[in-house]
This record gives sequence, C-alpha cells and structure tokens, in this order.
Amino acid sequence: DIQLTQSPSFLSASVGDRVTITCRASQGIATYLAWYQQKPGKAPKLLIYTASTLQSGVPPRFSGSGSGTEFTLTISSLQPEDFATYYCQHLNFYPLTFGGGTKVEIK
Amino acid sequence: EVQLVDSGGDLVQPGGSLRLSCAASGFTFSNHWMHWVRQVPGKGLVWVARTNGDGTNTTYGGSVKGRFTISRDNAKSTVYLQMNSLRVDDTAVYYCVRSIGFCGGGRCHEFGFDVWGQGTMVTVSS
Repeated sequence: DIQLTQSPSFLSASVGDRVTITCRASQGIATYLAWYQQKPGKAPKLLIYTASTLQSGVPPRFSGSGSGTEFTLTISSLQPEDFATYYCQHLNFYPLTFGGGTKVEIK
Repeated sequence: EVQLVDSGGDLVQPGGSLRLSCAASGFTFSNHWMHWVRQVPGKGLVWVARTNGDGTNTTYGGSVKGRFTISRDNAKSTVYLQMNSLRVDDTAVYYCVRSIGFCGGGRCHEFGFDVWGQGTMVTVSS
C-alpha cells in the first residue's frame, strides 16, 4: 500500500499568511493526488485534483503542485474560513489512501 | 442539486451486521463510480470500498475485505454497504462518496471524490 506522509501535522498561522502543506508518497504516483478540506462536524470538500487542478468553485488562493512522490498545497493568503484540517489522497491504484491530515489553526 | 444522503447507521453488537444506504440525486448515477470512506471521530479518513458504474466490479480495503460488500441499484440511484462480522474497530462515521475521472483506451482513472454524503454513524459495542 502507498503511504502518504503529511507535514506538518499541525500549523498555527494568522489571517493573511501564506501557508504550505507537504504530502510525500512512499512511491511514485505521477499526479494522481487530491487535496481535501474538512471542517469540524462536516464532510470533506474536494479542493484540488490531479495534483494541481482547482476544483470548480474553490477560491484561487488555493493551489497545488508536485508529481511523483512530493506534493504541496499552498494557500496564498489565509482567510478566516480556511481554518480547518487538510488531507491529501492518492488515486494511483487500489487501495486508495489518505494522508494523516494537517490541522490549520488560528495563531 | 447534486446530493448524496447516507442512512442506516446504528449501534450494533460485535459480530453483528448492518446495511448502510446512500441515495443519490441530481446527476446521472450510473455514470459515476461510488465509494465508501470512514472516519473515526477526531481521526483521519480511511477508504473502505468502491464499485464501478454498473456494479460489476468492486474493490475493498484490506481491513474490511471478506466482511463488507458494496453494491448498487442504478434504478433506485442508491449504493449500499453490507457490513457483516462487525468489530469494535469498525466504529466510525461512514461517508458515501462520488468519484470523478475518465475512461479511455480500455482503462479508467479516478481523479478525486467530488461529492460526499453527510455521513452516518456506526457504533460497534457490547
């Protein structure tokens, strides 16, 4: 199974900050990687797929990059509604797996 | 409106069975592969199972293989998860999920999970 390691697992930041989250895969997955945002008590929301394609309706301050084994999610200017937990997921082959999550909290 | 509504979660004893349902609306159900994902409250996401568009091909995560069965009824736009031999560590919120992707050259590839149900809680406890 492919292991996805997210870092950091916890991040404290202020409104307006630029935030970067990293996801490393235990083996190459080309660009078959998605990013999700989850708020407490809610289902996850798809932000980015194929590593860098912004899902419809997602603000352009979110961006993704990477291929192979290293990927990043960047929020260019953190907004109050962005405080949440973020997960990466690979879709290269089964079983699909998720990263452990990165919780972004208000500084 | 595109929507998935999960139901069927309950409190069940270890070794028991439960069937979850997910009713879809607002899109052509048979065009999409469907999945179940679970999450222990306060913990991360775990992929459980997936079915292709006509229900003829299914895949399972290692921890549920042989105990859970995913199926679908396209006439009812509903996907199911039959859970047998339930264990305490199956306790979680279960989400029904729609995937997006494409098929070409005899191969299909998924890109992400773009629609999620609201989740249904399964508690396995004596």
